[in-house]
Amino acid sequence: GAVVSQHPSWVICKSGTSVKIECRSLDFQATTMFWYRQFPKQSLMLMATSNEGSKATYEQGVEKDKFLINHASLTLSTLTVTSAHPEDSSFYICSASPGEHTEAFFGQGTRLTVV
Amino acid sequence: GQNIDQPTEMTATEGAIVQINCTYQTSGFNGLFWYQQHAGEAPTFLSYNVLDGLEEKGRFSSFLSRSKGYSYLLLKELQMKDSASYLCAVMDSNYQLIWGAGTKLIIKP
Repeated sequence: GAVVSQHPSWVICKSGTSVKIECRSLDFQATTMFWYRQFPKQSLMLMATSNEGSKATYEQGVEKDKFLINHASLTLSTLTVTSAHPEDSSFYICSASPGEHTEAFFGQGTRLTVV
Repeated sequence: GQNIDQPTEMTATEGAIVQINCTYQTSGFNGLFWYQQHAGEAPTFLSYNVLDGLEEKGRFSSFLSRSKGYSYLLLKELQMKDSASYLCAVMDSNYQLIWGAGTKLIIKP
């Protein structure tokens, strides 16, 4: 199947700093990528839809100035958590689909811990 | 609103069969997905149903009834490694995935 690579797998940062997470589709082009957050024992929560060449679409309640998304090319989207706080500690996962009617392939996820 | 329901937790015995149900109410339907997620890992794709009926893939099968807004995932010959959460997701009319909360499956020897 298609491969989506997410980096880093885990990161620990100090409160107030910013963290960038990369999501790459390795063997297909993705005009759309999705960013999710998952708290322990809870379901995936869609944060935003990343659109290549245009602004991301954020879900209600997600601060776009805090979670900066850049979809610079058809194979790369980045999520930057700015001025991170301990409550931002979570598992962040990206996904992309080769086409509209195909399954979503997920990156490995990034476990962010803010201390 | 959009809603997907699945049981929170199920327990089954190694070697047995288990059925995980999923009911949904969404604005539009462009397919239903089942994913497996082990603790601390990203979900992995199991199956995709867009037409009514049963899709079989090895030990796993998935069934869909669009008129009833219902799907199930059937796992046969259960193995200890099948202990995981199973997520049901529906693609709505905007091609966005709506996720269920997941069913935690516990396999006992």
